[in-house]
Amino acid sequence: GAGVSQSPSNKVTEKGKDVELRCDPISGHTALYWYRQSLGQGLEFLIYFQGNSAPDKSGLPSDRFSAERTGGSVSTLTIQRTQQEDSAVYLCASRSEGNTIYFGEGSWLTVV
Amino acid sequence: GDSVTQMEGPVTLSEEAFLTINCTYTATGYPSLFWYVQYPGEGLQLLLKATKADDKGSNKGFEATYRKETTSFHLEKGSVQVSDSAVYFCALRGFNSGYALNFGKGTSLLVTP
Repeated sequence: GAGVSQSPSNKVTEKGKDVELRCDPISGHTALYWYRQSLGQGLEFLIYFQGNSAPDKSGLPSDRFSAERTGGSVSTLTIQRTQQEDSAVYLCASRSEGNTIYFGEGSWLTVV
Repeated sequence: GDSVTQMEGPVTLSEEAFLTINCTYTATGYPSLFWYVQYPGEGLQLLLKATKADDKGSNKGFEATYRKETTSFHLEKGSVQVSDSAVYFCALRGFNSGYALNFGKGTSLLVTP
């Protein structure tokens, strides 16, 4: 497709389990971002990838969160030992050469 | 650090009413400013943007002017429609984190017939 694709769109997991969220950015976009949208909290920056450079992980809330980007394209956000406060929508975005940022529809994570 | 403050919602308007959603920002230098919209059940979409002072972004009848003197980027529409019901996010892009966006907390708009 032409847009940023995320999967799964919805995920319910038990507390303590690990989850992986996938993002497929727009073809040709070298910059990729992960954000978290919690109810009433707005959007929180998590991590940023640019080409082959080391990622900016300054927004990751704890060491349970990690992300990787393989081959400069698809990215996976991993949350280990999930907690209920991790319940949120996780949004992926990629940036065009014109510096416009395009968002996917998000992965809705519920930790029970 | 950079930050965005936008008016809290929810905002409820009748169809054809005038809309203003206030947004002010704090940033070093001259950031780019954006409004994103999130319709129910959908992802964030760029609504409009302005990259320098006095620029006016416009799209779908919405407008916002980059006011450096008041550090504001208020969103306006002269006549709202039911289909404009959504959450609106003001955002800025500074010069850190690879041009990541700093978002406000969002303003929910409900337009009634």
